[in-house]
Amino acid sequence: GDSVTQMEGPVTLSEEAFLTINCTYTATGYPSLFWYVQYPGEGLQLLLKATKADDKGSNKGFEATYRKETTSFHLEKGSVQVSDSAVYFCAPLYNTDKLIFGTGTRLQVFP
Amino acid sequence: SQTIHQWPATLVQPVGSPLSLECTVEGTSNPNLYWYRQAAGRGLQLLFYSVGIGQISSEVPQNLSASRPQDRQFILSSKKLLLSDSGFYLCAWRTRGQNYGYTFGSGTRLTVV
Repeated sequence: GDSVTQMEGPVTLSEEAFLTINCTYTATGYPSLFWYVQYPGEGLQLLLKATKADDKGSNKGFEATYRKETTSFHLEKGSVQVSDSAVYFCAPLYNTDKLIFGTGTRLQVFP
Repeated sequence: SQTIHQWPATLVQPVGSPLSLECTVEGTSNPNLYWYRQAAGRGLQLLFYSVGIGQISSEVPQNLSASRPQDRQFILSSKKLLLSDSGFYLCAWRTRGQNYGYTFGSGTRLTVV
């Protein structure tokens, strides 16, 4: 069935380090792709999205490119801040009208 | 503007007691509505979703149920809670169409003791 795989966490970085969180999805159909962020004790917020191949979603310094050839949607940020510490979820949306969430990757950024 | 309200924010309930969590959406009509559960240290599990009044699809067999008595109201219930029902419950809605993701409520942290 439809699924998504995220890299295991936690990811621990120093402030201003480069961030990559890997995400791959099953190539059933042509899903839209989303990244959500969950700050401690809160619900999920949409971070960015891409709806077709080679689209680049971006927000708050984060970027992810829809790579159809590798079925990937890796999240990147050039310089992380302590305030970026959160759990990040990759989520493809297939024609079933239901978002499939990855297990989430916890990011911890230290000063 | 569109908003989603979820309450209560936290809840501590004894085993065997009933449960009712409510979610309402404002500023949109005929949304898809979803209930998710996030257990400690785990990802998001879809419990129920609804595409219209009275239409409920269950994703995971459990002692929970859901109802949608009005277009913008989604209720999660249980007659008798289990310890394993503890977790963070999230309500979400979305507009139909491939370009739209979900908008989540702020969640309810349920602890069954």
